[in-house]
Amino acid sequence: KQEVTQIPAALSVPEGENLVLNCSFTDSAIYNLQWFRQDPGKGLTSLLLIQSSQREQTSGRLNASLDKSSGRSTLYIAASQPGDSATYLCAPATDSWGKLQFGAGTQVVVTP
Amino acid sequence: GAGVSQSPRYKVAKRGQDVALRCDPISGHVSLFWYQQALGQGPEFLTYFQNEAQLDKSGLPSDRFFAERPEGSVSTLKIQRTQQEDSAVYLCASSSSHRDGNEKLFFGSGTQLSVL
Repeated sequence: KQEVTQIPAALSVPEGENLVLNCSFTDSAIYNLQWFRQDPGKGLTSLLLIQSSQREQTSGRLNASLDKSSGRSTLYIAASQPGDSATYLCAPATDSWGKLQFGAGTQVVVTP
Repeated sequence: GAGVSQSPRYKVAKRGQDVALRCDPISGHVSLFWYQQALGQGPEFLTYFQNEAQLDKSGLPSDRFFAERPEGSVSTLKIQRTQQEDSAVYLCASSSSHRDGNEKLFFGSGTQLSVL
């Protein structure tokens, strides 16, 4: 079974610093990997989807890299803002129709 | 609709009671997933539908859990004889494609179930 680990479990940074969130997974046979954001009491919002053939994906201040062979993905958030405070989850897709295996998440707090 | 809608938002049940949780996916979305999220954990897969067909129910914890999507749109997750360990947030998600899995998933806000 795919095991997904996210490090660190929690992170607190002052506004303006760059954030680096790490995700590792045990089975490299994935179809894609998604990064999600979850606000307290809310559902998940997909931030980025990296296909298995891609090395990275960018959207605004967000950049995600994927090293499938070593089972790692990293989410970079540039110039963090208090509105970036949330829990970030990574989820590789283990089936062709998009079944996801989630990590426990990294809880981020950005202080003004 | 504009997004995935789940109801009720909160449900309190007495142990042994049956509950039904509803999910309205984004109109036209073929794929529908149910996930269970315990406090402080990531979501865990429960079951998957492609239109009205339930293609994977490997994540359902026991035979007390049952899901259906009879017309390929709205889905219901039913839990019979609820137990305290069933307390969690139940999330529904949908996506537009089933062909290669390279479609973003759109999640609802979830139903928070508390079993007393």
